[in-house]
Amino acid sequence: DAGVTQSPTHLIKTRGQQVTLRCSPKSGHDTVSWYQQALGQGPQFIFQYYEEEERQRGNFPDRFSGHQFPNYSSELNVNALLLGDSALYLCASSLGWRGQAFFGQGTRLTVV
Amino acid sequence: DQQVKQNSPSLSVQEGRISILNCDYTNSMFDYFLWYKKYPAEGPTFLISISSIKDKNEDGRFTVFLNKSAKHLSLHIVPSQPGDSAVYFCAASVNNAGNMLTFGGGTRLMVKP
Repeated sequence: DAGVTQSPTHLIKTRGQQVTLRCSPKSGHDTVSWYQQALGQGPQFIFQYYEEEERQRGNFPDRFSGHQFPNYSSELNVNALLLGDSALYLCASSLGWRGQAFFGQGTRLTVV
Repeated sequence: DQQVKQNSPSLSVQEGRISILNCDYTNSMFDYFLWYKKYPAEGPTFLISISSIKDKNEDGRFTVFLNKSAKHLSLHIVPSQPGDSAVYFCAASVNNAGNMLTFGGGTRLMVKP
């Protein structure tokens, strides 16, 4: 049973560029949340997708957007990258928004 | 505005002794609290949780205590083992939401053999 998988594992982008990160949820899960973990800090909730719609959003600007596909996989898009967007981006899936979150290994994004 | 705080960035404990990790929160709407463990190059893994209707939950070597009046929770690990060395995150949510979590900054636990 595959857990939550994220791709790519590492990524280097230049300021101003756009990036897309991908997440496949654990088998049987229908809800995906994205978190940003800056160095030395805890993960911070970005948004959650359920039934292909954004259901909840944390305190992140509109440069951060997402999508959920009919197979429950999800993408996180970040436009106009800033140096401060450098972080580990974690995807967590669950069965419903109340289900226990299972995290992927993350995508390490470096903006130069 | 940090709603969940872990004031100790690191903790060192001898193998076999008790590890106590602490967490404070400010949002009185939080009703579900969790602890996650994170090893390098891996995502956080769920350890134990507690609902606000309880004050203690135990699972093997791990016990979480909740003091709602003080807005404080703690994780006890007894006995500590070298494999417990990791970063521990406290997290909280509203309406028992398991996947809309507010995390603390983490505590790095080192268990020495």
